[in-house]
Amino acid sequence: KNQVEQSPQSLIILEGKNCTLQCNYTVSPFSNLRWYKQDTGRGPVSLTIMTFSENTKSNGRYTATLDADTKQSSLHITASQLSDSASYICVATASGGSYIPTFGRGTSLIVHP
Amino acid sequence: EAGVTQSPTHLIKTRGQQATLRCSPISGHTSVYWYQQALGLGLQFLLWYDEGEERNRGNFPPRFSGRQFPNYSSELNVNALELEDSALYLCASSLASNMGTDTQYFGPGTRLTVL
Repeated sequence: KNQVEQSPQSLIILEGKNCTLQCNYTVSPFSNLRWYKQDTGRGPVSLTIMTFSENTKSNGRYTATLDADTKQSSLHITASQLSDSASYICVATASGGSYIPTFGRGTSLIVHP
Repeated sequence: EAGVTQSPTHLIKTRGQQATLRCSPISGHTSVYWYQQALGLGLQFLLWYDEGEERNRGNFPPRFSGRQFPNYSSELNVNALELEDSALYLCASSLASNMGTDTQYFGPGTRLTVL
């Protein structure tokens, strides 16, 4: 069964600090892994998309890594800002002829001033 | 450029009724995806339409159905509503149907409440 587990479930940090969110997946056959940011009451916004051949991708202060061997991904946020407070969702997609995404439950990040 | 739009913003129905949710993709996007986000649960994939055809559906019963119109807008229909259908329904669109590897742009969602 395809699964995506995210940790921690929630995280509180001070503005300006860095943090790293984790994602473990068991999706087969693996196609790609995405990270989304979802503000409360809004739709998710894509941060990064990585295929199995990519091991890092950056989007501003967000850097995602992917280890296809261990089936782990991380999202590193540098110099956090108050606007980074949101839920961060990891999505692993299987291939096999169609689009089969499996979503994690997200990590809730709160950035305090 | 306008983003993905969804209507209505909120919808209240009673058990057994039917709900119709609508989505307009970003201009030029041909793929439309529907997702369900129930409170306390992760997003779940419902349906994927591209060029008017249903390409794939998630693990949902047949009472969840939809269609895509020639202008690429889409409609999600939920028949025989159950209490557990209460959720935020999100629509996303992408430029092409490259097996889900294209960037998806989400709308603000429709909050469906079943009483």
